[in-house]
Amino acid sequence: RKEVEQDPGPFNVPEGATVAFNCTYSNSASQSFFWYRQDCRKEPKLLMSVYSSGNEDGRFTAQLNRASQYISLLIRDSKLSDSATYLCVVKTSANAGGTSYGKLTFGQGTILTVHP
Amino acid sequence: DVKVTQSSRYLVKRTGEKVFLECVQDMDHENMFWYRQDPGLGLRLIYFSYDVKMKEKGDIPEGYSVSREKKERFSLILESASTNQTSMYLCASLEKGQDSYNEQFFGPGTRLTVL
Repeated sequence: RKEVEQDPGPFNVPEGATVAFNCTYSNSASQSFFWYRQDCRKEPKLLMSVYSSGNEDGRFTAQLNRASQYISLLIRDSKLSDSATYLCVVKTSANAGGTSYGKLTFGQGTILTVHP
Repeated sequence: DVKVTQSSRYLVKRTGEKVFLECVQDMDHENMFWYRQDPGLGLRLIYFSYDVKMKEKGDIPEGYSVSREKKERFSLILESASTNQTSMYLCASLEKGQDSYNEQFFGPGTRLTVL
């Protein structure tokens, strides 16, 4: 089983639609959770962190369910510019050389295309 | 504005060549990482470094080595390139600290093709 699993899509939605992405993770000791966005031929960039109580940033809402080890991202009123790959990312504490660091594990990404 | 730069956007090499991928960050971050990204597999960690001259293996270190002689620079080395190392290579940096929500910043990536 992959450590972080996402539905790869692709999701094709019209402008204005609401779309939801789901992600599950296998390591119950995971500490922090993120959604990154990656545009075509570009590097991943942080979209938003995911907090235990859930959080919202404009049209984007992230939810975390630790009991079910499940993370979600909801995009409301989709725009053409939302077309990208959305990466679910889980951070787990690890040790190296006596130093603790946060190891990121990435899902394979969910492709979203918003069309006119 | 934070910056992670990589020496090349596109690179074409032949099987058996030694390949150097360079990464530089200007944020004075202690931690630096090398990933490769392949369709259907996502980003996978090759190596990382938590300080100058320190390195640790990631999930897929075979066929790679790294060098961190200066804090701002982290190099990925393919000693003898093979066709299965054709991939997108992404460098990243992260500030050392206890904040578990520190953002990891990525470079623009190097698309390497090994013929």
